[in-house]
Amino acid sequence: SQKIEQNSEALNIQEGKTATLTCNYTNYSPAYLQWYRQDPGRGPVFLLLIRENEKEKRKERLKVTFDTTLKQSLFHITASQPADSATYLCALEDGNKLVFGAGTILRVKS
Amino acid sequence: GAVVSQHPSWVICKSGTSVKIECRSLDFQATTMFWYRQFPKQSLMLMATSNEGSKATYEQGVEKDKFLINHASLTLSTLTVTSAHPEDSSFYICSADSGSKNYNEQFFGPGTRLTVL
Repeated sequence: SQKIEQNSEALNIQEGKTATLTCNYTNYSPAYLQWYRQDPGRGPVFLLLIRENEKEKRKERLKVTFDTTLKQSLFHITASQPADSATYLCALEDGNKLVFGAGTILRVKS
Repeated sequence: GAVVSQHPSWVICKSGTSVKIECRSLDFQATTMFWYRQFPKQSLMLMATSNEGSKATYEQGVEKDKFLINHASLTLSTLTVTSAHPEDSSFYICSADSGSKNYNEQFFGPGTRLTVL
């Protein structure tokens, strides 16, 4: 069956450290993968997209990697700040649809 | 970026009543809009794809007669939850397709919290 798995447990880190979130998928062959941020009671906000032929993508303090062999994407936030605390969702392209993981809660403590 | 609004942001209704949720693309036209449902601590689940001027495409397991979708213009899609029951209580989120040819770029609304008593 098809699955998208993100760490179900919250990730707690200290301000200034690098947060690394994982997205693993099974039985999908996405042409691209996206990462979103979602705050409580709000809709998702797009952060980054990475294509299957790209190994790494960066935007300011964010970095995404995509390994189609491992079927895994890693999402990094460097120099994390308390304002980065949120739920982060990965989403795979599946035809004309996006399929979302359940998200990982990130808590950055000052 | 493009802005998508939803109205209302939250609604409480009695069991058996119908509730309409609006999704608007404010500064762009969207041929395609999507409706998702999200239960606490779970992922967004696509309910249906709404295409302007045609019938919506529903995902497996979503009752089209219960969740009525109307996409009457390029900036407005509505979702009506008919004869709502407590199990329909959820967070409903819409998104609008930007029309990008390169990938499925969707802009999301802020969501509508539905509570059915």
